[in-house]
Amino acid sequence: NAGVTQTPKFRVLKTGQSMTLLCAQDMNHEYMYWYRQDPGMGLRLIHYSVGEGTTAKGEVPDGYNVSRLKKQNFLLGLESAAPSQTSVYFCASSYRTAEQYFGPGTRLTVT
Amino acid sequence: GNSVTQMEGPVTLSEEAFLTINCTYTATGYPSLFWYVQYPGEGLQLLLKATKADDKGSNKGFEATYRKETTSFHLEKGSVQVSDSAVYFCALGGSYIPTFGRGTSLIVHP
Repeated sequence: NAGVTQTPKFRVLKTGQSMTLLCAQDMNHEYMYWYRQDPGMGLRLIHYSVGEGTTAKGEVPDGYNVSRLKKQNFLLGLESAAPSQTSVYFCASSYRTAEQYFGPGTRLTVT
Repeated sequence: GNSVTQMEGPVTLSEEAFLTINCTYTATGYPSLFWYVQYPGEGLQLLLKATKADDKGSNKGFEATYRKETTSFHLEKGSVQVSDSAVYFCALGGSYIPTFGRGTSLIVHP
């Protein structure tokens, strides 16, 4: 039982490049979330999903897209990376509105 | 809307000192309350939770009681260890989107 896994763990991008972050969970959770964490800003919600095939915007969705084609996977895409997207990205999942389970994070640097 | 306010850090303590990290919330209805801990370089992990008023959550020597009358969920530990050094987040559940506090950094010196 791996819980929540994130791929990759680290990535460096040049401005304008694109990439996809993958989140996978093996707990059969309906709800999944993408957050970014920046110093002094706490956690900020980017997008979330309450079920397969559904997504919704969070607090800071601009510059990101998501997809939830399978219940266990939640993908976060950056179409044209900007230095302001340098951050640590966390994925989380939960059984409805119960406690969340977090992945280990992806550290992204955009130069 | 919902909100969570927790004390700003860092909180710096000596080993074996008593810890309190304050957390207050505003919410409609009867949300669940959580404390998460984040160790350096890791994701958040659930420390304890309480799902209704007067519930006490506890884990690893940490405790917090759901106080509806004061809308608070303060985290306490009687004797901290160096290994407790981490960032602690108070959070509110009960809707699609959980609400997190900004986090409180705890530094414990030997």
